[in-house]
Amino acid sequence: QKEVEQDPGPLSVPEGAIVSLNCTYSNSAFQYFMWYRQYSRKGPELLMYTYSSGNKEDGRFTAQVDKSSKYISLFIRDSQPSDSATYLCAMSRDTGRRALTFGSGTRLQVQP
Amino acid sequence: KAGVTQTPRYLIKTRGQQVTLSCSPISGHRSVSWYQQTPGQGLQFLFEYFSETQRNKGNFPGRFSGRQFSNSRSEMNVSTLELGDSALYLCASSYRDSDTQYFGPGTRLTVL
Repeated sequence: QKEVEQDPGPLSVPEGAIVSLNCTYSNSAFQYFMWYRQYSRKGPELLMYTYSSGNKEDGRFTAQVDKSSKYISLFIRDSQPSDSATYLCAMSRDTGRRALTFGSGTRLQVQP
Repeated sequence: KAGVTQTPRYLIKTRGQQVTLSCSPISGHRSVSWYQQTPGQGLQFLFEYFSETQRNKGNFPGRFSGRQFSNSRSEMNVSTLELGDSALYLCASSYRDSDTQYFGPGTRLTVL
């Protein structure tokens, strides 16, 4: 069993929809949680990171962490066709947020 | 400020050969990490260097090695290539231990 599980999708939604992306993890040693977005033929780019349980908002994006359930989520409001990409959750054990453990990624398609 | 650059972008090798990939971090960044991305295993951490010292290593065989130079540029080497080494190899850099990593576009290696 992988340390981080993520539904690979694909997930197809109409423009303007609210998107929910999720990851579960098994290792309670993970301290930092991140969401990356990866467009085709590009490297991942950081969207959000969080340390504690709870919600963190940044524009149309909200990251949610529930350490007791070992479950993290990313919500995208008012989704746009430009949000079409693969979304990867990532976690790390140390304060340096290095040696990241990634989920397999969820491919999102926002239909205009 | 220029982003992380990786060379070459594409590479084709045959089984048994060796390959060297190069990564130039963002100016001023001292930490460089390498990841392997494949459709089956997703993104997996290879190793991390800081000030020319390897600080973390993922679960990869000894055929995978790396180094970092005094200007923070990094190289990774794969010896005795196998078909399963075909992947996108990503480099990420960060300024300090606690900073977020920024990824380059990757080098796509195909082993025939």
